[in-house]
Amino acid sequence: DAGVIQSPRHEVTEMGQEVTLRCKPISGHNSLFWYRQTMMRGLELLIYFNNNVPIDDSGMPEDRFSAKMPNASFSTLKIQPSEPRDSAVYFCASSLWGRTGELFFGEGSRLTVL
Amino acid sequence: DQQVKQNSPSLSVQEGRISILNCDYTNSMFDYFLWYKKYPAEGPTFLISISSIKDKNEDGRFTVFLNKSAKHLSLHIVPSQPGDSAVYFCAASLIQGAQKLVFGQGTRLTINP
Repeated sequence: DAGVIQSPRHEVTEMGQEVTLRCKPISGHNSLFWYRQTMMRGLELLIYFNNNVPIDDSGMPEDRFSAKMPNASFSTLKIQPSEPRDSAVYFCASSLWGRTGELFFGEGSRLTVL
Repeated sequence: DQQVKQNSPSLSVQEGRISILNCDYTNSMFDYFLWYKKYPAEGPTFLISISSIKDKNEDGRFTVFLNKSAKHLSLHIVPSQPGDSAVYFCAASLIQGAQKLVFGQGTRLTINP
């Protein structure tokens, strides 16, 4: 079975450019999460969706960040404009609502903003 | 403000010995705790969990201990094997927001032959 699929795996861009990260959750999962991993703070939750509806976006650092889930099989995380401090690994995860804590993570998208 | 803290960024243990990874939390409302394991270039994978009504949960070589009064949990791996070398993340959740996990910074465990 396919796991959570993220693209791109690596992205190098220049400051000020728009970045779009993509995620396809596991089929049948109804919760989707975007996390960011940094050395200092570990894994930070940015936003999560239940049944395609954003439930909690309190972790989104600034208005430069936005996320959408137009349907049950696709989500995007957009950064516009990007800044060097956004450099991190961004993970998407999905789960079944009610299965506490058992998140299934993708392999991550490593973003480098020069 | 880190609600879940892993104060040891790294730990080195000899193969066959016990590995003990520690985690502290500040929010007394956390009710469910988990450990995730992460290999390089891969996403974290769920390892073991414990509910606040228990103080111990065991799964093979892995045991998680919870001390609610101290707001502390630990993961014991015994015996440690080279394949256990990875980054381990502690996570916690609230009942009401069970889907929302708060993770620690991670501890890199290295098992030496």
